[in-house]
Amino acid sequence: KNEVEQSPQNLTAQEGEFITINCSYSVGISALHWLQQHPGGGIVSLFMLSSGKKKHGRLIATINIQEKHSSLHITASHPRDSAVYICAVGGGETSGSRLTFGEGTQLTVNP
Amino acid sequence: DAGITQSPRHKVTETGTPVTLRCHQTENHRYMYWYRQDPGHGLRLIHYSYGVKDTDKGEVSDGYSVSRSKTEDFLLTLESATSSQTSVYFCAISGPSMGSYEQYFGPGTRLTVT
Repeated sequence: KNEVEQSPQNLTAQEGEFITINCSYSVGISALHWLQQHPGGGIVSLFMLSSGKKKHGRLIATINIQEKHSSLHITASHPRDSAVYICAVGGGETSGSRLTFGEGTQLTVNP
Repeated sequence: DAGITQSPRHKVTETGTPVTLRCHQTENHRYMYWYRQDPGHGLRLIHYSYGVKDTDKGEVSDGYSVSRSKTEDFLLTLESATSSQTSVYFCAISGPSMGSYEQYFGPGTRLTVT
């Protein structure tokens, strides 16, 4: 069993829909990261969080440390949100350290 | 965008040849990482560095070595490339930056070993 599990693996939505991607992990962590990878390969950090909730534009990330679970929500989805979303755990808020990654969720948003 | 570049961006090489990939940063960040990305495996850590001349192995370090003689450069060497090392390689850096240790990724190097 992987230390970081994401669901679903693939997700297709219509423009405007509310989207949720889930991440569960089995190890103790100091921080959880959400990353975005567009076709063509570039990887961008969306969020790093260790508790509660963070919001950036239409993206919201939540984490429940007790349940070892995080969710990434996209409101009013748009075709440009189509990408692979990757959850990773490790690297703390007070130090850099190695990350362990989930396999990613392929999101396709159709117009 | 964080100042991080990788070179080369694409390389095709033959089995048994040595290959060196370079990661260069302009952010003066302490931590640097090399990952490989393969279908069905996601991103996996090869080696990382927590300072000049300070490096450690990741989960898939066999067949790879690294060096960091300057803060800004982190080199990944495949001493004798094998077909199993065909992959996309990403370098990443982390801070602190704005009080955070988020990781910033380079554009990737696509390596094909024939």
